[in-house]
Amino acid sequence: QLQLQESGPGLLKPSETLSLNCTVSGGSIITSTYNWGWIRQPPGKGLEWIGSILYSGSTYYNPSLKGRVTISLDTSKNQFSLRLTSVIAADTAVYYCASHIAAVDSFDYWGQGTLVTVSS
Amino acid sequence: QSALTQPASVSGSPGQSITISCSGTSSDIDAYNYVSWYQQHPGTAPKLMIYGVSNRPSGVSNRFSGSKSGNTASLTISGLQAEDEADYYCSSYSTSSALVFGGGTNLTVL
Repeated sequence: QLQLQESGPGLLKPSETLSLNCTVSGGSIITSTYNWGWIRQPPGKGLEWIGSILYSGSTYYNPSLKGRVTISLDTSKNQFSLRLTSVIAADTAVYYCASHIAAVDSFDYWGQGTLVTVSS
Repeated sequence: QSALTQPASVSGSPGQSITISCSGTSSDIDAYNYVSWYQQHPGTAPKLMIYGVSNRPSGVSNRFSGSKSGNTASLTISGLQAEDEADYYCSSYSTSSALVFGGGTNLTVL
């Protein structure tokens, strides 16, 4: 059974870059079964898909964030990462990493989530 | 504004059945059988309840079922229990946005 754990700074200032890591245990991130995704949830609001990365390194992103977001793999650490540039207050959210079942476009294993606050 | 439309809230009494709708377009729900449903209790990560419109992951109660008709998907919970009280989100693949979520529905068990 997969386990995912997010890590990274919890407080950023506007215009800074958000960087989060997701460490995967219980399986390799190099697998054709899963893509690996990031989802966020502003306080009191709904879920928003940020983007996903395939085991090959190919990525696809939410068009509303494209241009600011980069997702990458670190196979040596069995991790994948999220980078979001030029953050603003509206980027304040709980950020989740999750395993993304490519065949049915569903997220089955989730990290516990990490709150990132953007404030001056 | 979310790409998929869900009612903000629904309620039901223990033992009853409820249905949560998720309305999309010809570019998402109507076009693909990639509808999923998630349950989220306060302060916790979402949990996958239904994938591929109507399939239940191992361990999910058969009280939960999913269906689709045209551009509207539905989640039905039968035999409501207090533990079902949570927020529920639908999602779908979309040709325009790759993956979209609904705005979420808060289920209250009376």
